[in-house]
Amino acid sequence: AQKITQTQPGMFVQEKEAVTLDCTYDTSDQSYGLFWYKQPSSGEMIFLIYQGSYDEQNATEGRYSLNFQKARKSTNLVISASQLGDSAMYFCAMRVEGYQKVTFGTGTKLQVIP
Amino acid sequence: DTGVSQDPRHKITKRGQNVTFRCDPISEHNRLYWYRQTLGQGPEFLTYFQNEAQLEKSRLLSDRFSAERPKGSFSTLEIQRTEQGDSAMYLCASSLGTSGGAAGETQYFGPGTRLLVL
Repeated sequence: AQKITQTQPGMFVQEKEAVTLDCTYDTSDQSYGLFWYKQPSSGEMIFLIYQGSYDEQNATEGRYSLNFQKARKSTNLVISASQLGDSAMYFCAMRVEGYQKVTFGTGTKLQVIP
Repeated sequence: DTGVSQDPRHKITKRGQNVTFRCDPISEHNRLYWYRQTLGQGPEFLTYFQNEAQLEKSRLLSDRFSAERPKGSFSTLEIQRTEQGDSAMYLCASSLGTSGGAAGETQYFGPGTRLLVL
């Protein structure tokens, strides 16, 4: 079984600063994908960034980047130059090769302060 | 580029009533998923379709729940004899899959249907 742990229920960051959201995972499978989604108060889950278990380089997507440490089973999301619109819930998720189910963590609520 | 759409966005019903939700996936996507999200939690997988075939169901999907995707396009999720514990956000997602389930296959979500059972 897969498990995603997000230990930060809430985080504050000053506008224009960088913030790191933590995520650890547990799986015995070797081939898997890790995802981050953003969920604003409107409810829609917005895909942000993906990291494959065999990717040697950390994924980047605009202001989003991942600090992927496979041995520690962690994939932390770094948001640079925070904007007020970044205020939302952020979910870390995992999918194992060959399965359709995506397992989500409990999320981190990020609030950007002007 | 049309994303995943869901209807209705909000539903309030009385306990014991039946409700039906609709999901329209991204047009070229062959895979469709339903998730349920309760307050303070991440989404939990309910079921998955490849084209019109329902290939996987979670144990969370009790016999009061039924999902269909009759023509491999839109999908419906029906809850019969609703209970207060069914109150949640119901999320639909879709993806373009080839064979098996590639770990990197991204699921794109709709805006969800918020259900409140009184």
